[in-house]
Amino acid sequence: AQSVTQLGSHVSVSEGALVLLRCNYSSSVPPYLFWYVQYPNQGLQLLLKYTTGATLVKGINGFEAEFKKSETSFHLTKPSAHMSDAAEYFCAVSEAGYQKVTFGTGTKLQVIP
Amino acid sequence: DTAVSQTPKYLVTQMGNDKSIKCEQNLGHDTMYWYKQDSKKFLKIMFSYNNKELIINETVPNRFSPKSPDKAHLNLHINSLELGDSAVYFCASSLKGEGNTIYFGEGSWLTVV
Repeated sequence: AQSVTQLGSHVSVSEGALVLLRCNYSSSVPPYLFWYVQYPNQGLQLLLKYTTGATLVKGINGFEAEFKKSETSFHLTKPSAHMSDAAEYFCAVSEAGYQKVTFGTGTKLQVIP
Repeated sequence: DTAVSQTPKYLVTQMGNDKSIKCEQNLGHDTMYWYKQDSKKFLKIMFSYNNKELIINETVPNRFSPKSPDKAHLNLHINSLELGDSAVYFCASSLKGEGNTIYFGEGSWLTVV
C-alpha cells in the first residue's frame, strides 16, 4: 500500500530564507511523486512531479524536489522564500498502472516579512 | 476555458436535504475523481471513474452516489445530508499513461446546517 508522511504541519521561514518541506513515502513499486500547492479558498495546483528519469525535478515558482530512493524521500525546496509562497503544500504518491493518488496531510508554509 | 470546472462553488443547505455537485473537464482526460477535504485540510479520495467505469470506491457512506454520464463529466449526489458532510469537495481528472498527474477543480464548499 502506498502512503505519504509530511513532517511538520506548519513551517515558518523568513522572507528570503531557504524553504524546505519534507516528504517521505512508502510504496511497494517505483513511485510517481508529486507536490501540489493550495492557496486559500482555491483548488490544488501542480508544482512539480517525478515519474522516471532525472531525480532532481524543477517546478513552477522556483521550487524543486529531489527523489531519493535510498531515503524514500521527496523533499521540496526553494532557495529564497517570497511572501507569495505562503500556502498549504501537499506531497502525493502514486504507482504506475494504479490510478489512485494518495496525499499527505499537508504543510502550511508561513513566510515572515 | 477552465480545465476542470465544478458547480456550485458554495452550497449551504439543511440537514436531511439532497444535493448534487456537477463536474466537467475539457482536458480530454479519461479518468475523473472526487476528493473530500475536511476542516483540517486532509484530502481523501472518494471515487474514481475511468471511461465511465467505477474503478475506485473508498469507504464512503452509500448516501454518496457518483454518476458519470460520459468521460468528461462526473457528478456527485448526496442524499440525506448530515452535519459531518460539511467539507470542500474537489473534482479532478487525469489521463491514463500521463504519470497519474491529477488536475483539480476549484472546489465546492458544502456547509450543512
